[in-house]
Amino acid sequence: KQEVTQIPAALSVPEGENLVLNCSFTDSAIYNLQWFRQDPGKGLTSLLLIQSSQREQTSGRLNASLDKSSGRSTLYIAASQPGDSATYLCAVVGDKIIFGKGTRLHILP
Amino acid sequence: DAGVIQSPRHEVTEMGQEVTLRCKPISGHNSLFWYRQTMMRGLELLIYFNNNVPIDDSGMPEDRFSAKMPNASFSTLKIQPSEPRDSAVYFCASRGGDTQYFGPGTRLTVL
Repeated sequence: KQEVTQIPAALSVPEGENLVLNCSFTDSAIYNLQWFRQDPGKGLTSLLLIQSSQREQTSGRLNASLDKSSGRSTLYIAASQPGDSATYLCAVVGDKIIFGKGTRLHILP
Repeated sequence: DAGVIQSPRHEVTEMGQEVTLRCKPISGHNSLFWYRQTMMRGLELLIYFNNNVPIDDSGMPEDRFSAKMPNASFSTLKIQPSEPRDSAVYFCASRGGDTQYFGPGTRLTVL
């Protein structure tokens, strides 16, 4: 059974710093992995999708990597801004889609 | 496009009552997903449809929950009878390509 873990559950960093969010999964038989952002009281917004054959994807200040063999993905945020404050969730798509519980990120002005 | 539309945004009801949540997916998307989010369990997939046909309902917690998709532009999730432990935020999402687009959710409170 696929399990998806995100550590840490919460993170506070000063504005301007680069940071890395982690996602680990137990079953490497996946189709793709997605990173989402969720603002309080809102739905999820897709940030990046990495196909199982890919190693990374980039969008602006965001870079997501995927290492299937080790069951890990990271989301790198460069030059963090207060507007990046949100909860970030990863989702692993295999036979089913399984979400991690997210990392709550707070960027300190 | 207005995105995925859900109604109502908030629902407060009493235990035992029937609750119906509604979703309008993005036009042209052929997959629709219902999720439930709680603090304890995170985001869980309840059921998903492909071309209006239910494909996987293994996440539906009990027979009290049912979902329908009578056409490509409308889906409902019904809980009958509702219980306090059903209190959660329920999200609908539709998929275009590989990316899912989420609605704003319905916050359900069962007293």
